[in-house]
Amino acid sequence: QSALTQPRSVSGSPGQSVTISCTGTSSDVGGYDYVSWYQQYPGKAPKLMIYDVNKRPSGVPDRFSGSKSGNTASLTISGLQADDEADYYCSSYAGPYTRVFGTGTEVTVL
Amino acid sequence: QVHLQQWGAGLLKPSETLSLTCAVYGGSLSGFSWNWIRQPPGKGLQWIGEVTHRGSTIYNPALRSRVTISTDTSKNQFSLRLTSVTAADTAVYYCAKFDLRIYFAPWGQGIPVTVSS
Repeated sequence: QSALTQPRSVSGSPGQSVTISCTGTSSDVGGYDYVSWYQQYPGKAPKLMIYDVNKRPSGVPDRFSGSKSGNTASLTISGLQADDEADYYCSSYAGPYTRVFGTGTEVTVL
Repeated sequence: QVHLQQWGAGLLKPSETLSLTCAVYGGSLSGFSWNWIRQPPGKGLQWIGEVTHRGSTIYNPALRSRVTISTDTSKNQFSLRLTSVTAADTAVYYCAKFDLRIYFAPWGQGIPVTVSS
């Protein structure tokens, strides 16, 4: 099971929107509506931000939204804030015998 | 609120066995799956394997020959053993619950493990 493909980095100015893509195959992203996104600060454990493609856990700001089209899922951060500067990873269900993460994207707030 | 606390040796020599444990607080192992994930320095998340509360396991094929994940239901803990470690196994190791709604949460605090002679 290969890792899902994410851009290495994206950047934006405060208040702008950025979108991170997560590309897989019909065996993972395209085959199930079970994409999740994680935010990770340096030296910290990842934190769940989105699950089931577009659902937010309690406490996650509505500036974070998710979507999916075909084999590509996306995380959009609207109204970018300094605190959003972190690494982001996607993950997708890929069947009962494996788990898979994306390659990770560094978000920089200019 | 489920909370995971992990511990284990952080410095190993090549060929030794890595052993980490993750305790589950505020909930039971029952009904869920429990995972180990690692992150080499400066790199992304790599899934290692998963154990269900009944002890069924699935492993990353790249590590399968060296990995054992097990549960101790009496202590509400699960553990990772990785044999014959090399420098390539140097990473921060995380434990995480795999929720029935198909996501990883919560995560343990992470244990940095260094393999060096």
